[in-house]
Amino acid sequence: DAGVIQSPRHEVTEMGQEVTLRCKPISGHNSLFWYRQTMMRGLELLIYFNNNVPIDDSGMPEDRFSAKMPNASFSTLKIQPSEPRDSAVYFCASNPGHYNEQFFGPGTRLTVL
Amino acid sequence: GENVEQHPSTLSVQEGDSAVIKCTYSDSASNYFPWYKQELGKRPQLIIDIRSNVGEKKDQRIAVTLNKTAKHFSLHITETQPEDSAVYFCALLTGTASKLTFGTGTRLQVTL
Repeated sequence: DAGVIQSPRHEVTEMGQEVTLRCKPISGHNSLFWYRQTMMRGLELLIYFNNNVPIDDSGMPEDRFSAKMPNASFSTLKIQPSEPRDSAVYFCASNPGHYNEQFFGPGTRLTVL
Repeated sequence: GENVEQHPSTLSVQEGDSAVIKCTYSDSASNYFPWYKQELGKRPQLIIDIRSNVGEKKDQRIAVTLNKTAKHFSLHITETQPEDSAVYFCALLTGTASKLTFGTGTRLQVTL
């Protein structure tokens, strides 16, 4: 298995632009998580899905952020419009169920100028 | 939501010495406690975990202990090596929710 796949790996954009991050979870995993990591705030959970359904989006910082999971093998995190303070590494993770290891993807390093 | 405190934030040890990282939590319903290691520029990866019905678990040079009464759990690394240098995160799962709450991380530096 290729593990959790994220794209792009690096994204540099200008303030005000729309950014879309993509994630393909490990096949058979029914939970998917989006995290943001910065030096200041550490590792923050933004949103997670169970069986493609959003369960908890309390970590989504504001309305500029949205996430979708149209099917079991694909999820997107969108920022519109982007701001410099959104610069961070965004990780996607999946796991096969409760009490199981979360497998993280390689992350997307986002820089908003 | 659940809160977890992790100490110390940085730790420097000499190669061969032991390292201990401690996390405390508040919700007695917490029942799963994994530890993740993140090397510089890499993704977090699980290194060991423990469930609430177990007090200690060991895997080669790493071990985790859980004290449910005192609501704390610790990571122990013995005979540290330079490749142990990384950021370590504790985490916990509470109740039936699937989401993990992560600690703030400990930057471990193993010096020669």
